[in-house]
Amino acid sequence: AQSVTQLDSQVPVFEEAPVELRCNYSSSVSVYLFWYVQYPNQGLQLLLKYLSGSTLVKGINGFEAEFNKSQTSFHLRKPSVHISDTAEYFCAVSGEYGNKLVFGAGTILRVKS
Amino acid sequence: DSGVTQTPKHLITATGQRVTLRCSPRSGDLSVYWYQQSLDQGLQFLIQYYNGEERAKGNILERFSAQQFPDLHSELNLSSLELGDSALYFCASSVEVASGSEQFFGPGTRLTVL
Repeated sequence: AQSVTQLDSQVPVFEEAPVELRCNYSSSVSVYLFWYVQYPNQGLQLLLKYLSGSTLVKGINGFEAEFNKSQTSFHLRKPSVHISDTAEYFCAVSGEYGNKLVFGAGTILRVKS
Repeated sequence: DSGVTQTPKHLITATGQRVTLRCSPRSGDLSVYWYQQSLDQGLQFLIQYYNGEERAKGNILERFSAQQFPDLHSELNLSSLELGDSALYFCASSVEVASGSEQFFGPGTRLTVL
């Protein structure tokens, strides 16, 4: 069965610093990978997705992620964070059982001034 | 705004009761998904419908049921509610059922069981 591990439950970072949120997945079939963001008291918004092709994926709000098949990872990066990036970020995978998403536990990004 | 609407926004009820959560997908989307977000279980897939037919089932309890109507809106029915059912319930929709199809999430219904 597919699974997702987000290695950090919380990541504190200062404004304008770079950040990396780590995600590892497990799957016996080809995968589709996603990063979603959840702002307080809101639903989930898609940041970016990897379906095929280039392993470097660019998303909204300056985020990007790199698909690494050999390391089964899909880490999310941003070169310079803003206070407004404070939110919870979820890595998700689909592909083994249709389009259902399997989510990681989430990483809370806290941006400090 | 994702275009997916969910009602009600908040629901407070007592153990043993039954509630119905409603979801309207984005215009043109045929597939609807339900997810549960709780502190102990995280985000979990419950069930998927496509054009009125059940397509996939996840860790959905027997006390829970869902359906998708001809106008494509969906309802999630939760019965014999327990304290542990308190959670945020999300609906999502997509145009297709193919793996990788982007899912658009609604704002969620927060259920509190007292």
